[in-house]
Amino acid sequence: AQSVTQPDIHITVSEGASLELRCNYSYGATPYLFWYVQSPGQGLQLLLKYFSGDTLVQGIKGFEAEFKRSQSSFNLRKPSVHWSDAAEYFCAVGRYSSASKIIFGSGTRLSIRP
Amino acid sequence: EAQVTQNPRYLITVTGKKLTVTCSQNMNHEYMSWYRQDPGLGLRQIYYSMNVEVTDKGDVPEGYKVSRKEKRNFPLILESPSPNQTSLYFCASSAKSYEQYFGPGTRLTVT
Repeated sequence: AQSVTQPDIHITVSEGASLELRCNYSYGATPYLFWYVQSPGQGLQLLLKYFSGDTLVQGIKGFEAEFKRSQSSFNLRKPSVHWSDAAEYFCAVGRYSSASKIIFGSGTRLSIRP
Repeated sequence: EAQVTQNPRYLITVTGKKLTVTCSQNMNHEYMSWYRQDPGLGLRQIYYSMNVEVTDKGDVPEGYKVSRKEKRNFPLILESPSPNQTSLYFCASSAKSYEQYFGPGTRLTVT
């Protein structure tokens, strides 16, 4: 069965510092992978997605993620965070056979230290 | 503007009183889903629909019903709400691109 693990519940980084949020997935075939962001009181917005091809994908707001099949990981990175990046981040995995069957991780809350 | 709308945004109700949360999308998407979000559990899928009159259970369907009579609408029905259904609910839609567009959420409290 598909599953997604985000091992960090809460991370605090200083403004201007680099960021890496971890995501590990379990899936038998090549997964479709996503990162979503949820700002306080808002719905979720797609940051980036990986379907195939180049394993380093670029997203909105300066985020990128790297798919590593050998480690079953899809970690999200940003070289320099801004106070506006404070939010909750969700990794998600889908499967080829069903566009509606998306499994979400439990989320990582990001706080920014001034 | 492309969007998913949900109503109401906030709802406080009592145990056993039937309620419906509406969801509508204007992007002509085939796929629609309902999720609930609880602290520490992320988003869990309740039901999904692949097209009009085609629905299926997600991971936590107990106590919920859905219908898809029109492509744009996908209401969530709680026939007899209970306190354990207190949660934040999101509707989402997607085309075959798999990118999900989320509504703003409905915060439901059942007392």
